[in-house]
Amino acid sequence: TQLLEQSPQFLSIQEGENLTVYCNSSSVFSSLQWYRQEPGEGPVLLVTVVTGGEVKKLKRLTFQFGDARKDSSLHITAAQPGDTGLYLCAGALNFGNEKLTFGTGTRLTIIP
Amino acid sequence: SAVISQKPSRDICQRGTSLTIQCQVDSQVTMMFWYRQQPGQSLTLIATANQGSEATYESGFVIDKFPISRPNLTFSTLTVSNMSPEDSSIYLCSVRIIRGPHSGYTFGSGTRLTVV
Repeated sequence: TQLLEQSPQFLSIQEGENLTVYCNSSSVFSSLQWYRQEPGEGPVLLVTVVTGGEVKKLKRLTFQFGDARKDSSLHITAAQPGDTGLYLCAGALNFGNEKLTFGTGTRLTIIP
Repeated sequence: SAVISQKPSRDICQRGTSLTIQCQVDSQVTMMFWYRQQPGQSLTLIATANQGSEATYESGFVIDKFPISRPNLTFSTLTVSNMSPEDSSIYLCSVRIIRGPHSGYTFGSGTRLTVV
């Protein structure tokens, strides 16, 4: 059973379009992180959210943590080819428990 | 934030042999984490490596198959033993980046293993 389900699994859109990736769970997480991974590299941390309802912006990327801390979304505005990659959400179940549970992943392709 | 050097970056190995993957961190860390990632898929935690004690393995992973060493606070190795084609995967090490409640993790660049 996968604790964190991401949707969509694959997404291919034209440059300039907007998109949203979802990360859903039935479990409550103390914090949730988003990573982007490019081929041949390890995942790179984009953001960490810890408060229910929290919204964080990183340039064209907007991250939201659900009020109940069970879900999160990543919205990209005006997507660019450099946004292409595998996006992974990951949650920590308890503060002080350093073990992460990773989501199923969303492979994003931005077509120039 | 910590920088991790992982090697080898890739290898092709014969079935039945073993491969040891190394991760060197540029700062001292208490825990190091080892993951497996099937091509194009998400990450699955293999084990947590603590300095001075035995590693803690996740369900489905055993020490005989994936022995781990953690001789000091900056270094760890993962060995994939008696390999079969099913072990073909990307293996990654990771450490926590401490930023209070907004901590995250940094990863090595991965080892792409192909077993033939």
